[in-house]
Amino acid sequence: SYDLTQPSSVSVSPGQTATITCSADGLGDKYVCWYQQKPGQSPLLVIYQDTKRPSGIPERFSGSTSGNTASLTISGTQTMDEADYYCLAWDINAALFGGGTKLTVL
Amino acid sequence: EVQLVESGGGLVEPGGSLRLSCAAAGFTFSSHNMVWVRQSPGKGLEWVSFISGSSASIYYADSVRGRFTISRDNAKNSVFLQLHSLRAEDTALYYCARDGPGSTTYFDYWGQGTQVTVSS
Repeated sequence: SYDLTQPSSVSVSPGQTATITCSADGLGDKYVCWYQQKPGQSPLLVIYQDTKRPSGIPERFSGSTSGNTASLTISGTQTMDEADYYCLAWDINAALFGGGTKLTVL
Repeated sequence: EVQLVESGGGLVEPGGSLRLSCAAAGFTFSSHNMVWVRQSPGKGLEWVSFISGSSASIYYADSVRGRFTISRDNAKNSVFLQLHSLRAEDTALYYCARDGPGSTTYFDYWGQGTQVTVSS
């Protein structure tokens, strides 16, 4: 089956840049989106179609792709950005989430 | 304002059934595909099922195919998930979400979820 691979955890100091990756064979041929989920909350879309940012999402969130790896970058990371982050892509007639990355800001 | 409100969750014994509902408001419901996504306690997100705006296209995750049925009623702005032959591993918070406008690549609005617990 098709698997999206994310690091289980990423740590960053406040004000620094955090990068979370999502990789899979053939991912370069698919659109990727990213979700932020804080404890007890529903997922929040932060990046869609690889690089687009929904209205209301801070500019410090950006998305990019290179080959079969998609990346979510948070520039000038704030403590409020501490959360779980999930990538999502569509395979043939099925949506697939990455395993999630816990971002710790300390 | 887009709103999605799930209901119908609860405690059910293994082998039992439940029907989840998701009431939508604030957008032209029939113009959007809808999905169900679940999250087991302390685990990640798992896509469960998809239904197109006209109900012409329906997809399921392998883990639920043959046991769950998705449907929608555009006149009532609602999407449903019928759960049969429930197993302990189906215990999760079930979210409904709206597919983004025009393209099946992202889910832009999510409800708060309804809890399904399968236990004897």
